[in-house]
Amino acid sequence: ETGVTQTPRHLVMGMTNKKSLKCEQHLGHNAMYWYKQSAKKPLELMFVYSLEERVENNSVPSRFSPECPNSSHLFLHLHTLQPEDSALYLCASSQDSGTGLGYTFGSGTRLTVV
Amino acid sequence: LAKTTQPISMDSYEGQEVNITCSHNNIATNDYITWYQQFPSQGPRFIIQGYKTKVTNEVASLFIPADRKSSTLSLPRVSLSDTAVYYCLVVPNQGGKLIFGQGTELSVKP
Repeated sequence: ETGVTQTPRHLVMGMTNKKSLKCEQHLGHNAMYWYKQSAKKPLELMFVYSLEERVENNSVPSRFSPECPNSSHLFLHLHTLQPEDSALYLCASSQDSGTGLGYTFGSGTRLTVV
Repeated sequence: LAKTTQPISMDSYEGQEVNITCSHNNIATNDYITWYQQFPSQGPRFIIQGYKTKVTNEVASLFIPADRKSSTLSLPRVSLSDTAVYYCLVVPNQGGKLIFGQGTELSVKP
């Protein structure tokens, strides 16, 4: 365990389903992130939260909806996804969103859209 | 953000020393050099970070020349479990975020 826990580890969903990914950290970090990693591609930064406020959205389609109810929890709500959204979704946290230092990643959720 | 260039893949054998070089010609004064390791279907894991000269920890060494336009990650006596993707990142000390490139896929053979 890295200190960042993601659930579920694996998820298969149909294109009309609604599901949520959960991320939890108890490292006392103030910033949390969602990354997407498609097969054989680099990690893509999706969203950045700092002190529960979204500070960055990297042109992510609206079918992905993040939520950060407190500094320890981060969700990614999914609805009407496409097969090309199948990927490994990684959550990370850091002490401060203003620096690229000190990131801790979770093990990810492997999402398959059918 | 400084762009990094590293080999796409490398092969090695157990017990050998592996050196992965990364170039970052546009590195800024306040940037640090950070390496992460990623196993399949897992999140990246921090390995080592440095600003200049040499840094060593229990996992690896990082060599950074005076001009800081490149860096070399050195893994001593690799084992099969070191097979992974290794990412070189230039991270700002302030006002930045972690942006990943393609990484180097290291394959260690028996």
